[in-house]
Order: sequence, then C-alpha cells, then structure tokens
Amino acid sequence: EVQLVESGGGLVEPGGSLRLSCTASGFIFSNAWMTWVRQAPGKGLEWVGRIMSKTAGWKTDYAAPVKGRFTISRDDSTNTVSLQMNSLNTEDTALYYCTIGFCDTTTCHWDDAFDRWGQGTMVTVSS
Amino acid sequence: QSALTQPASVSGSPGQSVTISCTGTGSDIGGYNYVSWYQQYSGKAPKLMIYGVSSRPSGVSNRFSGSKSGNTASLTISGLQAEDEAHYYCGSYTRGSTLMVFGGGTKLTVL
Repeated sequence: EVQLVESGGGLVEPGGSLRLSCTASGFIFSNAWMTWVRQAPGKGLEWVGRIMSKTAGWKTDYAAPVKGRFTISRDDSTNTVSLQMNSLNTEDTALYYCTIGFCDTTTCHWDDAFDRWGQGTMVTVSS
Repeated sequence: QSALTQPASVSGSPGQSVTISCTGTGSDIGGYNYVSWYQQYSGKAPKLMIYGVSSRPSGVSNRFSGSKSGNTASLTISGLQAEDEAHYYCGSYTRGSTLMVFGGGTKLTVL
C-alpha cells in the first residue's frame, strides 16, 4: 500500500524558515517524481513544486510565488523528499501535501494527475 | 484568485446528474489533454477522480465522467448519492515553470 507521511510543519515567524519532509513507502520511490501541493485554510489547491527522479536528472520546478525561496530535494536511500522553505510570509500559511502521480498502461502521469496524497502538515506563518 | 474558474457551488437531488465546469485558457485546459478532477471531503486529502480529461482511475465509480471543449472542462456526476457531497477541484497541466494549475473548488450539495 502506498503511504506518504509528511512532517515538520509548525508555527514560524514571518521571514523565518522551515523544512518539511515526506517519507514514502509502498512503491519504488527512486522512480517517482515527487510533488508538493498546498492548501491555505478554506481555500483551494495550489501546486508548489516538483522534483523528478534521478534518471530524469533530479530536475526541479517551482510555482512562481515560491521560486527562489523554496527548495525541493530528495534522498532515495531513505525514501524521503524534503521542502526547504525560506523567507516565509503569511501567504505561505497552508496545509502542505506530498503527492505523486502514477503510470497507467500507456504513460506516466507524474505532472498532470496526483493519485496518492499524504495527510498533510500544517505550516502557520505568524508573528 | 485561482488560475482556473469553477462555480463556487452546485447542488442536486439524489439520483439526478450534476455538471461542474472548469474554465481556463489556451495555455492550460485548451492546450493540453491533461485535465484532472479531485474530490475532497472536509479535513481529508484530495482523491483523484478523473485524469487525462476523461479517464477514471481504478476504483472510481463510472458515475463520474469528464469531458472538455475548448478552454472549458466539465465533470459530470450521474445518479447523485449522498456520499458525493464534497468539494471538487479541477486541475490542468500548463506551460511555464508552474506545471499545474487548479480551480478554486466547487462545493457539491446533495439536497
């Protein structure tokens, strides 16, 4: 069974930093492209960023609001993907989900359809 | 403001059909056949219901169907059941560094 477990959320002051982690199990982690999606309280989903697999060059992409402040990394030896968040502001307050796509019979949907989600970890940016 | 536009709410009676629209642009919905739909219950993680505009993941009821015309995608739920009451979000692959955009979500109420 696929499991994604996020951790590391908490309360941080504006301008501060926080590092989130997502530990995965139940699938071949090293093959998967890992994505972070966030959801502000009472709001919709927002794509944050993605890291490809080693075979795809570990390429990362980020949403415009977080580019230059957030960094996604992965450790295939521990099945963990991390989200380093710097220069946090109140608009970063959200529940942060770790999620992955999947491969069907014809293609892999790593970037366009998210099949498994963690339970999320809450980040609150406030003074 | 979300990149994709959805109605804030829709409603229907048990057994009826409802359709939720999702409007984007030629840079997202209109440019790719990579529209997905997610169901989210309060306090829970989203669940993928439709991908690739109209494909259903294994285990998703065939009461859920998706389509697209131009820059607008639609999710239709037929034979409404009480358990369908939830928030629904559309998503689309897009060009640029932001790879995925979502709609603001639609609250489905089963009367």
